[in-house]
Amino acid sequence: TQLLEQSPQFLSIQEGENLTVYCNSSSVFSSLQWYRQEPGEGPVLLVTVVTGGEVKKLKRLTFQFGDARKDSSLHITAAQPGDTGLYLCAGASPRAYKYIFGTGTRLKVLA
Amino acid sequence: DVKVTQSSRYLVKRTGEKVFLECVQDMDHENMFWYRQDPGLGLRLIYFSYDVKMKEKGDIPEGYSVSREKKERFSLILESASTNQTSMYLCATTSRQVNQETQYFGPGTRLLVL
Repeated sequence: TQLLEQSPQFLSIQEGENLTVYCNSSSVFSSLQWYRQEPGEGPVLLVTVVTGGEVKKLKRLTFQFGDARKDSSLHITAAQPGDTGLYLCAGASPRAYKYIFGTGTRLKVLA
Repeated sequence: DVKVTQSSRYLVKRTGEKVFLECVQDMDHENMFWYRQDPGLGLRLIYFSYDVKMKEKGDIPEGYSVSREKKERFSLILESASTNQTSMYLCATTSRQVNQETQYFGPGTRLLVL
């Protein structure tokens, strides 16, 4: 069974601080997605990374896919209270139609 | 604007009841998924469907069944609800090429089984 471990599980930081969330697996994925989920809502896609070593930026968020396509990281610079939420990574299984989701990182940014 | 809707946001049922959760999408997507989300466990795939009347078991299908009679509608059925099925249920869709494609999620149904 493919697994995606996310760390840390919980993170509470002050506004303006930087943080990194990690998503690790022993399996290779053909692509990896990051989602953010707010209370009472479904997850919303932030980014998809496809190529090993790929780096994508979305304003203050930087996403990296590991060279071996087994892990990924999400770095937030100067966190804002609006970044508060549950961050989920999801790897595309080589088997068609299926994504494996990570365990999630719950981020709280205090004003 | 893409839309995935779920029939209920909150649902309370009794043990042994038959429960229907409905998901409707307006994007003409072929693939539809049902997940359950529990704290510390992330999202776990229950069933998915890649076409009308087609279905495949996910990682935790026990105690659930599904129905896809029309392309836009994917139903999750709990034949006899049990307390360990208390959870947040999320429906999602993608177009046929799953890699690099966005999964569009509904708002979720929070089910409490007493």
